[in-house]
Amino acid sequence: GAVVSQHPSWVICKSGTSVKIECRSLDFQATTMFWYRQFPKQSLMLMATSNEGSKATYEQGVEKDKFLINHASLTLSTLTVTSAHPEDSSFYICSAMKDYEQYFGPGTRLTVT
Amino acid sequence: SQQGEEDPQALSIQEGENATMNCSYKTSINNLQWYRQNSGRGLVHLILIRSNEREKHSGRLRVTLDTSKKSSSLLITASRAADTASYFCATGSGGYNKLIFGAGTRLAVHP
Repeated sequence: GAVVSQHPSWVICKSGTSVKIECRSLDFQATTMFWYRQFPKQSLMLMATSNEGSKATYEQGVEKDKFLINHASLTLSTLTVTSAHPEDSSFYICSAMKDYEQYFGPGTRLTVT
Repeated sequence: SQQGEEDPQALSIQEGENATMNCSYKTSINNLQWYRQNSGRGLVHLILIRSNEREKHSGRLRVTLDTSKKSSSLLITASRAADTASYFCATGSGGYNKLIFGAGTRLAVHP
C-alpha cells in the first residue's frame, strides 16, 4: 500500500497566529513530498516541493517565509502557515512520492477567523 | 501555475449516459493522470497514461492521450449517481514528475 495521512483534518485559528499541518507517509518512505492549496471550487495549486534533508522548492508566487516547510524525516513533512490571515483559509493537501507516483493525503481544511 | 485546461467546466447528465471530459496542456509531459474529488474531500487517483501511450481503459473509464495536440479525454461510460464529483487532469513532468492540475470539470449525474 501507499497511505498518506494529514493532521489535523481541520483547524480553525485566529488571525495572526501560526498553524502547523503534518503530512505522513504511513507505510513507505518518501524522499519527496508536495504541498498543494485548493480554494473553494478551484483546482489544486502546487505550492512547493519538499525534499528530505534539504530546503523546499517553492512555486512562483508562494511566499517561503509565510509557508514554512520542514521535511525532517523520510515519513514526515510539515507545513507551517505563519501569521495566518483570513485569505489563507483554504484546503491544504499534501502528497508523497513513491516509485515516481504521488499518493495524496486526505487534506486539511484551514479556517482563519 | 496551472498548465491544464479542462472542458467543460460543468457537465450535467442522466444516469446511464456517457460523460466525456477533455483536458489540454501546454508543455511536454512524462504522463497525464486523472483524479476524482468529491466535495470537500481528498483526491482519488483514477488512471495514469504515459506519454508513449494513446489509450487506456480501467473499468468504465477510458482515457485517450494525443501528444501532438497536447490533449487528453476521459470517458465515463454508463454513468451512475455516485460518479457525481469533480474530475481533474494533472500532467506530470520533470525529474520529480511534478503534477500540474487542470481547472477541473464538475460532473453531476442525476438519477
